[in-house]
Amino acid sequence: AQSVTQLGSHVSVSEGALVLLRCNYSSSVPPYLFWYVQYPNQGLQLLLKYTTGATLVKGINGFEAEFKKSETSFHLTKPSAHMSDAAEYFCAVILNRDDKIIFGKGTRLHILP
Amino acid sequence: DAGVTQSPTHLIKTRGQQVTLRCSPKSGHDTVSWYQQALGQGPQFIFQYYEEEERQRGNFPDRFSGHQFPNYSSELNVNALLLGDSALYLCASSLIVSRDNEQFFGPGTRLTVL
Repeated sequence: AQSVTQLGSHVSVSEGALVLLRCNYSSSVPPYLFWYVQYPNQGLQLLLKYTTGATLVKGINGFEAEFKKSETSFHLTKPSAHMSDAAEYFCAVILNRDDKIIFGKGTRLHILP
Repeated sequence: DAGVTQSPTHLIKTRGQQVTLRCSPKSGHDTVSWYQQALGQGPQFIFQYYEEEERQRGNFPDRFSGHQFPNYSSELNVNALLLGDSALYLCASSLIVSRDNEQFFGPGTRLTVL
């Protein structure tokens, strides 16, 4: 069965520093992968997604993620953190369009001034 | 272009009561999914509706039921509420023909069961 593991329920970085949020998945076939962001008291907003093709995916707000099949990973990065990036981030996986989406438990990103 | 809307935003109920939550999908979307997000957890899939029928279901008891109307809007009903049903309930819409099943989420309904 597919699953998603996000390492670190809380991550703190200084403003201007590199952001790295980790996501590993378990799947017997290459899945579709998503990163969502959730600001306080709001729903989820799609940051980026990987379906097929180029393994380095660029999203909104300067975020990007790289699909590494050999490592079963889809880590999210941003070169320079902004205070506005403070939020909860969820990695999600789906095997195919007819399957249900599975979310990780989330990583709360704190930005230090 | 209206996004996904949900009502109400907050709700307080007592154990044993029943609750109905409502969702209007993003314009042009035909599929609605419901998720439960407990505090500190990721969203968990409850079920998905398409063409007014339940298409998929997650690991939730029969106390959780839903409906989709001809205009694609949807309701989530929960009977015999338990304290553990307290959570943020998220509705998401999508297009059935979408290759990757990308979900567009509403702001959620915060349900508190006392």
